[in-house]
Amino acid sequence: DAMVIQNPRYQVTQFGKPVTLSCSQTLNHNVMYWYQQKSSQAPKLLFHYYDKDFNNEADTPDNFQSRRPNTSFCFLDIRSPGLGDAAMYLCATSSLRTGGETQYFGPGTRLLVL
Amino acid sequence: SQQGEEDPQALSIQEGENATMNCSYKTSINNLQWYRQNSGRGLVHLILIRSNEREKHSGRLRVTLDTSKKSSSLLITASRAADTASYFCATALSNDYKLSFGAGTTVTVRA
Repeated sequence: DAMVIQNPRYQVTQFGKPVTLSCSQTLNHNVMYWYQQKSSQAPKLLFHYYDKDFNNEADTPDNFQSRRPNTSFCFLDIRSPGLGDAAMYLCATSSLRTGGETQYFGPGTRLLVL
Repeated sequence: SQQGEEDPQALSIQEGENATMNCSYKTSINNLQWYRQNSGRGLVHLILIRSNEREKHSGRLRVTLDTSKKSSSLLITASRAADTASYFCATALSNDYKLSFGAGTTVTVRA
């Protein structure tokens, strides 16, 4: 089945230790998004790639970076995680190339910062 | 910034009852979407309603949109235990494709 896959599902890191979360998709969608969701809150868009073009949200901290080496993969790098970065990180895709406005989400990676 | 606000924050109903939740937003939209999130999981798209539509149905789901009041409602009929989840509305602004999510309504369906 075509899907959005996130690895790992749970990630524990230490304060200040860089961490990378990964997302892959078999949907061949041209847009990939990264959201941060804290407990009982709305998912908050961090940035997205429209094809190869990176689009950062204005209030996304510099501590968060992203890479998209090809259509299928997208990575979220947190350079120096703080306690406030503990959250669920959600990857999503959409196919704006074909006019699709629905977003397809992965299962999420829950990040714990010690 | 968060565009949508949902009401109520939490809802507890008996199996078989209907569940209604509301979403209000602030600026003109292209479309409004509803998503479901089971505990600790990703979001699943339920239904999309465009700004020129007033009502849509999908199985046991009914969505209404009132652009004059900038509000939408999601009705789940004949609820089941499996409907226990958080429900989020998300709006796409005019001339944009990015979604802005509300804080969600947590629905608990009691057996």
